[in-house]
Amino acid sequence: QVQLQQSGPGLVKPSETLSLTCTVSGGSISSYFWSWIRQPPGKGLEWIGYIYNGERTFYNSSLKSRVTISVDTSRNQFSLKLSSLTAADTAVYYCAWQSPRGGYWGQGTLVTVSS
Amino acid sequence: QAVATQEPSLTVSPGGTVTLTCAASTGDVTSGHYPYWFQQKPGQAPRTLIYDTSNKHSWTPARFSGSLLGGKAALTLSGAQPEDEGDYYCLLSYTGAREFGGGTKLTVL
Repeated sequence: QVQLQQSGPGLVKPSETLSLTCTVSGGSISSYFWSWIRQPPGKGLEWIGYIYNGERTFYNSSLKSRVTISVDTSRNQFSLKLSSLTAADTAVYYCAWQSPRGGYWGQGTLVTVSS
Repeated sequence: QAVATQEPSLTVSPGGTVTLTCAASTGDVTSGHYPYWFQQKPGQAPRTLIYDTSNKHSWTPARFSGSLLGGKAALTLSGAQPEDEGDYYCLLSYTGAREFGGGTKLTVL
């Protein structure tokens, strides 16, 4: 059974960098597409970016200058860093896996950007 | 970033049938977009109902099915139940990008 467990802070100050981690069990972090997605309060889903086969990264063009997605294969984890935060980045952040076995989601982390 | 087009809201009667659609911003949806469909209920993470156009997870109720219809991805619910109320999102895959639909709010009434 594939499980994705997210960890990271729920409150971050403006201008700072958000760091979230997704720990994976039941799936290989080096295979297929590992994504970060966010959902502002009351709004729809927005794709942030993904890392493919543990190596290649692709980002939403609107966030590209502020986003880094990376993998730690030794811990079977992948991570999101989003810099220069503003209130507009307040959202629930999800990690997800897209593969021939289907789609799996983390539980979500509400991140509030506020001083 | 472009957003795929979904019906903002739909209503279906209990036991009835409804089809939700997902139109790409770039043209026809094909199997090469590997369409996904997600269900989301208030306060919960989305869960995947359909992947790669028509494949179901073990937890996907049999009344849901996915297909391609008229150049769009489609999710059909046959025999709607009250617990099917919620928001539904599609996802289309491109090389180097992903495109979510704006979501459909489904009411069973």
